[in-house]
Amino acid sequence: QSALTQPASVSGSPGQSITISCTGTSSDIGTYNLVSWYQQHPGKAPKLMIFEGSKRPSGVSSRFSGSKSGSTASLTISGLQAEDEADYFCSSYAVSSTVIFGGGTKLTVL
Amino acid sequence: QVQLQESGPGLVKPSGTLSLTCTVSGGSVSSSDWWNWVRQTPGKGLEWIGEIYHSGSTIYNPSLRSRVTISVDKSKSQFSLNLISLTAADTAVYYCARGPVGGARFGLDVWGQGTTVTVS
Repeated sequence: QSALTQPASVSGSPGQSITISCTGTSSDIGTYNLVSWYQQHPGKAPKLMIFEGSKRPSGVSSRFSGSKSGSTASLTISGLQAEDEADYFCSSYAVSSTVIFGGGTKLTVL
Repeated sequence: QVQLQESGPGLVKPSGTLSLTCTVSGGSVSSSDWWNWVRQTPGKGLEWIGEIYHSGSTIYNPSLRSRVTISVDKSKSQFSLNLISLTAADTAVYYCARGPVGGARFGLDVWGQGTTVTVS
């Protein structure tokens, strides 16, 4: 099972909105609405930001939202803040009952 | 609030076996959650290794299945990872994580701090 495809980097200015894409196949994102998104600051463990495609865990800002179209999932962050600068990883449930991750996207807040 | 803490050797030899333990505090390893192992390398990013339920049921990443065993010790509120036939490619930060009811497919909502393992 191949990794999901994410852009290596995205950037935006404070207050702007950005979107990170996560492209899979019919064996994962295209079939299952079980995409999660994680935020990871340097030297820290990943933090769950979105699960089941668009749901936010308690305590996660509403500025974070998730969506899906076909085999591509997206994470949108609105009202960018300096603290949003981090790496973001997507993951998806896939055939053979496995979970696969994307390669990660580095978000830079200009 | 559930907290997870990994423990184990930081350095292991090639062809050897890696054994890591994750201690669960503030909650029960016998809950309805699934207990996971994930690793992170600079080159390959995050890789899901597998998960276990308190009953002992396991699901493994097919790419690692032949080398991995995950077990649970309810009396110690711990779960463990064994990875055999190590190579340099297994050098990574290893995390334990919780997959709430239903497992990792629904998101990993609690993570340990991670432990760095070098195969050399």
